[in-house]
Amino acid sequence: GAVVSQHPSWVICKSGTSVKIECRSLDFQATTMFWYRQFPKQSLMLMATSNEGSKATYEQGVEKDKFLINHASLTLSTLTVTSAHPEDSSFYICSAPTSGRGETQYFGPGTRLLVL
Amino acid sequence: KQEVTQIPAALSVPEGENLVLNCSFTDSAIYNLQWFRQDPGKGLTSLLLIQSSQREQTSGRLNASLDKSSGRSTLYIAASQPGDSATYLCAVGMDSSYKLIFGSGTRLLVRP
Repeated sequence: GAVVSQHPSWVICKSGTSVKIECRSLDFQATTMFWYRQFPKQSLMLMATSNEGSKATYEQGVEKDKFLINHASLTLSTLTVTSAHPEDSSFYICSAPTSGRGETQYFGPGTRLLVL
Repeated sequence: KQEVTQIPAALSVPEGENLVLNCSFTDSAIYNLQWFRQDPGKGLTSLLLIQSSQREQTSGRLNASLDKSSGRSTLYIAASQPGDSATYLCAVGMDSSYKLIFGSGTRLLVRP
């Protein structure tokens, strides 16, 4: 089946630094990818829709200048957390729909970010 | 604004029991509903997808039902096994955009 990978799987950084998270569709092309955030013992909250060749669409309340999204190719989307702070510590998960296979979408394994 | 609620938040059962997980949503105009499984610190695995026109879907020991008018879905797990221990998430799609609204999940522990 289709696979979506994320890199890194976990990252620890100092407050004020920027962190880049990659989401790749390994055996299919994805013109759209989604980025979710999950705080401990809470559900996933959609942050933004990443669109290949155009600007990302952000959900209400998500700062686009803080969470930079770049959909560089049909198999890669990146999320950069700029000037990270401890409150940005979370589990970030991406997903990619497989167009032409019904409403199936595949989720990446997630990236755990800890900002000290 | 669509809200998705899952009850119970946690459930512990002995191996072999049949169990039901509940999901409710406030806006019945959904496009589809999905059940996912999430293991600790991991991503999501799709279990069942129910289109708005369908009433149920089955896969192995899993059966999911959908009652749009009442804003409810249930996930039935038959003959539970310790390997079923995970968090189960319900998510609704409001349109064909693939964007999902998730419930907060039910943490299931199946005791050997």
